[in-house]
Amino acid sequence: GAVVSQHPSRVICKSGTSVKIECRSLDFQATTMFWYRQFPKQSLMLMATSNEGSKATYEQGVEKDKFLINHASLTLSTLTVTSAHPEDSSFYICSASVVGGDTQYFGPGTRLTVL
Amino acid sequence: AQSVAQPEDQVNVAEGNPLTVKCTYSVSGNPYLFWYVQYPNRGLQFLLKYITGDNLVKGSYGFEAEFNKSQTSFHLKKPSALVSDSALYFCAVRDWNNAGNMLTFGGGTRLMVKP
Repeated sequence: GAVVSQHPSRVICKSGTSVKIECRSLDFQATTMFWYRQFPKQSLMLMATSNEGSKATYEQGVEKDKFLINHASLTLSTLTVTSAHPEDSSFYICSASVVGGDTQYFGPGTRLTVL
Repeated sequence: AQSVAQPEDQVNVAEGNPLTVKCTYSVSGNPYLFWYVQYPNRGLQFLLKYITGDNLVKGSYGFEAEFNKSQTSFHLKKPSALVSDSALYFCAVRDWNNAGNMLTFGGGTRLMVKP
């Protein structure tokens, strides 16, 4: 149980285009999903907390207009990187918490490469 | 505020020997503590957690961790290391007062198990 999927697993795009990453909780309902960014050989950096039906809460320094987050249902959250640039290239990981739970379960990650 | 420190960037151990990966934390209230493992180009896999109860917590793949309140530590241990245990390990903490379930991660420790 507690499986989280991400799609796509890998994406390469041209500078200036927008990329959407999906995060789904497959066998549970998640009121809260989290989006992280991980640079090579570094820890996870929390970008935003996404609550179903409400606006996401962004961490300091994360541009909300750049990284659009939508949490439309209890099983799906999306992260859209708008007008992507090479410096946005990174490994993006989502996680989800079961309603009332205390553990975050992580997706497999999406590697974004912006040319 | 909550924080986590993993003092070792890398731990090297021979297969069959016991391993320890260190973690210390800081929270204002009572801690919820977690260990996750990450394999290359993958998301994080949950290993174990301490919420309350016994200080020695047993988790997946033969791993265990001991919560030590006086030393504010939560070191990860395994009696006999396997080559397949080689991966990146993250310790994370959440203050029980944190209703948003937000985790703070340590910088990660790379475990290398040599045959």
